[in-house]
Amino acid sequence: GAVVSQHPSWVICKSGTSVKIECRSLDFQATTMFWYRQFPKQSLMLMATSNEGSKATYEQGVEKDKFLINHASLTLSTLTVTSAHPEDSSFYICSARDKEPTEQFFGPGTRLTVL
Amino acid sequence: GQQLNQSPQSMFIQEGEDVSMNCTSSSIFNTWLWYKQDPGEGPVLLIALYKAGELTSNGRLTAQFGTTRKDSFLNISASIPSDVGIYFCAGQLAGTYKYIFGTGTRLKVLA
Repeated sequence: GAVVSQHPSWVICKSGTSVKIECRSLDFQATTMFWYRQFPKQSLMLMATSNEGSKATYEQGVEKDKFLINHASLTLSTLTVTSAHPEDSSFYICSARDKEPTEQFFGPGTRLTVL
Repeated sequence: GQQLNQSPQSMFIQEGEDVSMNCTSSSIFNTWLWYKQDPGEGPVLLIALYKAGELTSNGRLTAQFGTTRKDSFLNISASIPSDVGIYFCAGQLAGTYKYIFGTGTRLKVLA
C-alpha cells in the first residue's frame, strides 16, 4: 500500500520559534497533499490542501501567514508553523492522494509541543 | 470546520461481540472512507466506498455507502482486544477532493 512519512515525529520548541514539518509520499507521486490538525481526544480538522507547484488552499479560520505550506515536488510537502505559541501545540498529520484511486493515505503524524 | 456526525461517541463491548457505528450528514458525498487510529499515530485506512449502496468487507469489517449518499456505517464482527482504538469516517464532498472527518467512535473491548 501507499506509504506516507512525516518528519519529525515529535518536536518541542520555545514560544516564538518556527518549526518545519515534512511530509513525503514514499512510493507514489502525490498530486495533492492535505494537512490536518488534531487536538487531544478530537477529530482531524483539515487545515489546508496543497497541490504541487501551486499555492495551498486554506480552510476558513486557518491563518496562511502562520502556517506556511510549500509543495515543491510530487513527493514532498512542508508545513512551517511560524512564531509558534503554546496554543499551536497539537498533533499535525499530513495525507497524500494519488491520482486514482481517490483514497487519502496518512502519515504517522508529528506531535508539536510549544513551551 | 465541518465535521460529520458520528455515533456512538464511545462504546465498551465484550470480546466476541459485534460492533456497529455510523456517520450521517446533510451533505452529499462521493466517497466514504473508514479509518482506525491508535494513540499517537496517524489514521490507517480500513475500507473505501465509492458508490451509493456499495457494501464492502475487509476481514471482520463491513461497511456500506448509504443509498442517499449522506451516510455510511461500519460493522465489526466478533470483536477482539486489538480492535481497541478510535474509528473515524471520512466523506469526500461532491465536486471536491476534500474529505470531512467524523467526530470519531472510541471503542474499548473488554476481554
